[in-house]
Amino acid sequence: AQSVTQLDSHVSVSEGTPVLLRCNYSSSYSPSLFWYVQHPNKGLQLLLKYTSAATLVKGINGFEAEFKKSETSFHLTKPSAHMSDAAEYFCVVSALNTGFQKLVFGTGTRLLVSP
Amino acid sequence: DGGITQSPKYLFRKEGQNVTLSCEQNLNHDAMYWYRQDPGQGLRLIYYSQIVNDFQKGDIAEGYSVSREKKESFPLTVTSAQKNPTAFYLCASNLKAGSNQPQHFGDGTRLSIL
Repeated sequence: AQSVTQLDSHVSVSEGTPVLLRCNYSSSYSPSLFWYVQHPNKGLQLLLKYTSAATLVKGINGFEAEFKKSETSFHLTKPSAHMSDAAEYFCVVSALNTGFQKLVFGTGTRLLVSP
Repeated sequence: DGGITQSPKYLFRKEGQNVTLSCEQNLNHDAMYWYRQDPGQGLRLIYYSQIVNDFQKGDIAEGYSVSREKKESFPLTVTSAQKNPTAFYLCASNLKAGSNQPQHFGDGTRLSIL
């Protein structure tokens, strides 16, 4: 069975400093992994995806994530936080289950950015 | 621009009442999904549909019903049997159910009890 653990419920950074949001996954086979961002009262927007190609994945808005199989991790990073990055972030593992894509969501990490 | 439209944005339900949440997509996607989001939790799958006139229960289908009469539309009914309906409901779609293509999400409907 697939599962996702987001290690921090809240992360606080100052504008202009690096961002690290941590995610560990469990999967019985090679997974597809995604990071989504959610702003208040909005739907989820895809930041980036890993589907067994390059282990370093670049996404939108300067975010990137590195797939590390040995550590079962898929941490999200950004070199310099912007105020507009304040939102909730979800790490998601995809399992193809009986012919449909079942997404397993982490519980989310709220990113707070201070001036 | 293509996307997913959910309506209404806010909805209030009285005791014993059924309410229907609308989800329309113009992405020409075969697969559509309904999720429920509660504070401090990830999204949980209510129902999904791989193709028109077909749908399957997800992890928390009790108290909900759906239909898929058109490719573009996947409405969700929250019935009176759902005792704790207060949540944020998200509709999603992707091209094919059996692919690992990302799901696209609407902006959600927030349902509250009066």
